[in-house]
Amino acid sequence: DTAVSQTPKYLVTQMGNDKSIKCEQNLGHDTMYWYKQDSKKFLKIMFSYNNKELIINETVPNRFSPKSPDKAHLNLHINSLELGDSAVYFCASSQRHERNQPQHFGDGTRLSIL
Amino acid sequence: AQKITQTQPGMFVQEKEAVTLDCTYDTSDQSYGLFWYKQPSSGEMIFLIYQGSYDEQNATEGRYSLNFQKARKSANLVISASQLGDSAMYFCASRQAGTALIFGKGTTLSVSS
Repeated sequence: DTAVSQTPKYLVTQMGNDKSIKCEQNLGHDTMYWYKQDSKKFLKIMFSYNNKELIINETVPNRFSPKSPDKAHLNLHINSLELGDSAVYFCASSQRHERNQPQHFGDGTRLSIL
Repeated sequence: AQKITQTQPGMFVQEKEAVTLDCTYDTSDQSYGLFWYKQPSSGEMIFLIYQGSYDEQNATEGRYSLNFQKARKSANLVISASQLGDSAMYFCASRQAGTALIFGKGTTLSVSS
């Protein structure tokens, strides 16, 4: 009965490869997010979708492309992986896109680029 | 623009004692939310507590309370009766309308017996 689930949990791959991370939430929330946590543990928003519509698109290389097939799913595809992409990627969801809504996070995907 | 400052990289406390983790914020809107999250060594992010900018009472959730001082722009987390399981990294975050969470750099809390 996991609320926000991400797969895979670990991803080890070579530079230049393309990879995807999947996220699903069963909370019935309207809004989903991708955050990146770097090696210093700093968390930063990358993207947000509300009811399948992109509403936040931070300054992220266009090698990163999110896709939301429905409001329960938000996937992240990364092309031409670089060493600097090594990080933990968190998916999160909230009931609505409002300032008072807590966000519930998945367990994270640890991406390591060799 | 929003900014969260957590000035304590690490805090140490004994079991059963109370501890305060500091957080100051800067927001451009009058309406905003303040959040605290816990990240244990296992890596997941756990929502702890929320305070709205218009809430007059300090938020409380079990052993967690948020000491909200609006004029000082501070939102400190107080953990009462610390337990070994409270050892983790703690993040303060803010959110204005139309934005996502903006996080501070975190404070590592170590609880010893």
